[in-house]
Order: sequence, then structure tokens, then C-alpha cells
Amino acid sequence: DAKTTQPPSMDCAEGRAANLPCNHSTISGNEYVYWYRQIHSQGPQYIIHGLKNNETNEMASLIITEDRKSSTLILPHATLRDTAVYYCIVRVGGQNFVFGPGTRLSVLP
Amino acid sequence: DSGVTQTPKHLITATGQRVTLRCSPRSGDLSVYWYQQSLDQGLQFLIQYYNGEERAKGNILERFSAQQFPDLHSELNLSSLELGDSALYFCASSVMPGLVYEQYFGPGTRLTVT
Repeated sequence: DAKTTQPPSMDCAEGRAANLPCNHSTISGNEYVYWYRQIHSQGPQYIIHGLKNNETNEMASLIITEDRKSSTLILPHATLRDTAVYYCIVRVGGQNFVFGPGTRLSVLP
Repeated sequence: DSGVTQTPKHLITATGQRVTLRCSPRSGDLSVYWYQQSLDQGLQFLIQYYNGEERAKGNILERFSAQQFPDLHSELNLSSLELGDSALYFCASSVMPGLVYEQYFGPGTRLTVT
């Protein structure tokens, strides 16, 4: 079973930052937080992952709270092509990925 | 483009039939994963192979089987097909199955059972 809770849907205006929250209150010390997205029936796409420090790459930023019970994926300047289902997953090394229902992000013009 | 290829892209077949889906992992990736995504079930992990050996099993039916060949490509065999097997089937690959890693997904095979 997925160990995360995400809002089922969110809207964001094009050009604005999209902030996608994820609750993982039962996360253990060695579990990483991963984010993937799936654009309309395409294969899921890896975005970013982190353990406890904030992370940034060319796609997004990941902010993990100090107690690690929640995190936020930030798309700094959302475009229409960012419309997708975003999955937050927690896993420890050796475990397989468990995808929950995710958040359906709609970027509006 | 993730570097993972899957064939065929679409497959339409009848109930009771058998089909084979094929996956080629990214160059250098030793681990292959299969997932099923149907409308009412979300993305479900089926099975994982690492360097030719089965590594983990998820919600894979007994009618389904898979294997990974010496050249690291993998095939998912679905037999005695039922209407409920209609779904998107994704293959993913990763460098190795331990610790911290990302999985890279292929474009999927859409199976329709009529």
C-alpha cells in the first residue's frame, strides 16, 4: 500500500509556480521520497528524489520538512506541458515502487 | 525519450489468446520491471528481473509470466486472456535494484482484449 497522501487534483496558472504537497507521516529514517509524473497514458517520468535535504534539478525542487513527515514538489514556472498526474512515493533501498493515485495537476492558460 | 523501448505499441486480441510483450532496457541497465495500469487499478507492479534472474514479484497473475534474456531484454507473456486484462503495460529499467535509484519507464503497450 502507498505510504503517502496527496490531494487528488490541483490547478495552477501557466507561468506560476506549482506547489504539490505530499504527506508521508509514517516515513522511516532510511526511506527516500521520490516524485514521478505521468502525462496522459505515457510512461511515468522520474522527476526528483531526496532523503532529508532539499533538492533541486532542472525539472523541479523538492522541499522536505525537517521532521520529514511531508514534502512539496515545486515546478517553478509551470507550462501547459506540465499537466500530468504527479506521484509521490516513499521507499527504502531494495523495495519496489508503490504508486498511489497521485495528484492530477492541470496547468491553465 | 527514456531509452526504454517497448513493442508492440498496441495489441488487440481475443479472450483466451496468448500474447507476448517485449521490452528493451536502457543501455547499461541490468534491472527490468513490469507494471500494469488499468483504469480502475492504477499502476500496479507485476514483476522484477535483475541480470536474468527474478528478483521480486508483485500482483502478477499465474496466467502471466516473464523472463529476462542474456542480452537483458525482457518479455512478458500473458495467456488465457480475459477482458479484464485490457490495460497499459509498462516496462521500466534501472541500473541496479538496491539502495537509491530511479526507474526509467518505456512508452507502454496498450493491450485490448475483446
